[in-house]
Amino acid sequence: SQTIHQWPATLVQPVGSPLSLECTVEGTSNPNLYWYRQAAGRGLQLLFYSVGIGQISSEVPQNLSASRPQDRQFILSSKKLLLSDSGFYLCAWRELAGKETQYFGPGTRLLVL
Amino acid sequence: GEDVEQSLFLSVREGDSSVINCTYTDSSSTYLYWYKQEPGAGLQLLTYIFSNMDMKQDQRLTVLLNKKDKHLSLRIADTQTGDSAIYFCAESMKGGGNKLTFGTGTQLKVEL
Repeated sequence: SQTIHQWPATLVQPVGSPLSLECTVEGTSNPNLYWYRQAAGRGLQLLFYSVGIGQISSEVPQNLSASRPQDRQFILSSKKLLLSDSGFYLCAWRELAGKETQYFGPGTRLLVL
Repeated sequence: GEDVEQSLFLSVREGDSSVINCTYTDSSSTYLYWYKQEPGAGLQLLTYIFSNMDMKQDQRLTVLLNKKDKHLSLRIADTQTGDSAIYFCAESMKGGGNKLTFGTGTQLKVEL
């Protein structure tokens, strides 16, 4: 069966520091991968998606970047965090040949102080 | 355009039925989903419906789709305190990474 992992679970970082959040998927090959942010207002905003290694699409201009160095690894990064980067970051995957259902990881709560 | 709307709050008594509503605007949606988010957790897929279906039932959950009105609903029968959570509807579209557009979420509170 497939599982998706995110770490760390919680992170407190000072403004201006770098960021690296990791997401890995097990039990599937060549998935589509997604990064979402959920701010305090609850709505989910799609940040990036990837249809393959090295292929990243950005949905909104922002202070963050994403990379996919391996088939089942998706990384969210920043060189200098802003206060507005605080939020709950969710990674999701979808089988390329299956239904369009996305399955979510447990999330990383980021607080920028 | 893509826009998915939900009411923000719903309060029901334990044992009653809950009905959470959602409206969407993109008629080309292929699948529509309901996700559940408990406090501090990720999103859990509850159920989904293909756009050519009107209804889908899965144990205590019933999904109704009115494609003409672009209206989706989730009915939870015999609501329990463990059903208290935020419920998101989402629609998917073909192409462009098969992205999902999420509603704002409905906070369901189940009272004793």
